[in-house]
Amino acid sequence: GNSVTQMEGPVTLSEEAFLTINCTYTATGYPSLFWYVQYPGEGLQLLLKATKADDKGSNKGFEATYRKETTSFHLEKGSVQVSDSAVYFCAPSSGGSYIPTFGRGTSLIVHP
Amino acid sequence: DTAVSQTPKYLVTQMGNDKSIKCEQNLGHDTMYWYKQDSKKFLKIMFSYNNKELIINETVPNRFSPKSPDKAHLNLHINSLELGDSAVYFCASSPAAGSYEQYFGPGTRLTVT
Repeated sequence: GNSVTQMEGPVTLSEEAFLTINCTYTATGYPSLFWYVQYPGEGLQLLLKATKADDKGSNKGFEATYRKETTSFHLEKGSVQVSDSAVYFCAPSSGGSYIPTFGRGTSLIVHP
Repeated sequence: DTAVSQTPKYLVTQMGNDKSIKCEQNLGHDTMYWYKQDSKKFLKIMFSYNNKELIINETVPNRFSPKSPDKAHLNLHINSLELGDSAVYFCASSPAAGSYEQYFGPGTRLTVT
């Protein structure tokens, strides 16, 4: 089965700082890769995705590149805002069941 | 125009009671799911339904019973509630088979006292 390792949080940053949240995975076959974001008190939302090697997913200033050789999908943002405070989940997905494997989530706290 | 909705948002009940959580999606998706999220944000798949048929039933106590009256609805009934059932329960849906993207409801926070 699939597995995913995310950096432990919380990650605490000041506004406008650079963000990296690491994600590495093991997966059967050729997975699609996703980042989901969960804002306080809400359900998870799809943030971005990449479906093949070297693809870059991007949304709301966040980016992640599908690195097949290192089985990684690190999330980056050049300048974080207070409103980015949330929990971020890396989720490789493959196999016939179409169920993503969610990492344990990384909490991001951005201070003004 | 809510895509995936759940009711209730909060549910406080005593041990031993039976309760239900309802979920509806208006996205026209074929597949629906129930997840349990614990206090450390760990997300665990419980059930998956495709076109009203159960396709995944992870290791979940049989006190939990999903019911799908049609492909837009997936309800979760829990019998004999226990303290350890306290968690946030999320419903989700995804498009036709072959898509991994999931669309989540807002969650139901269940507290068992």
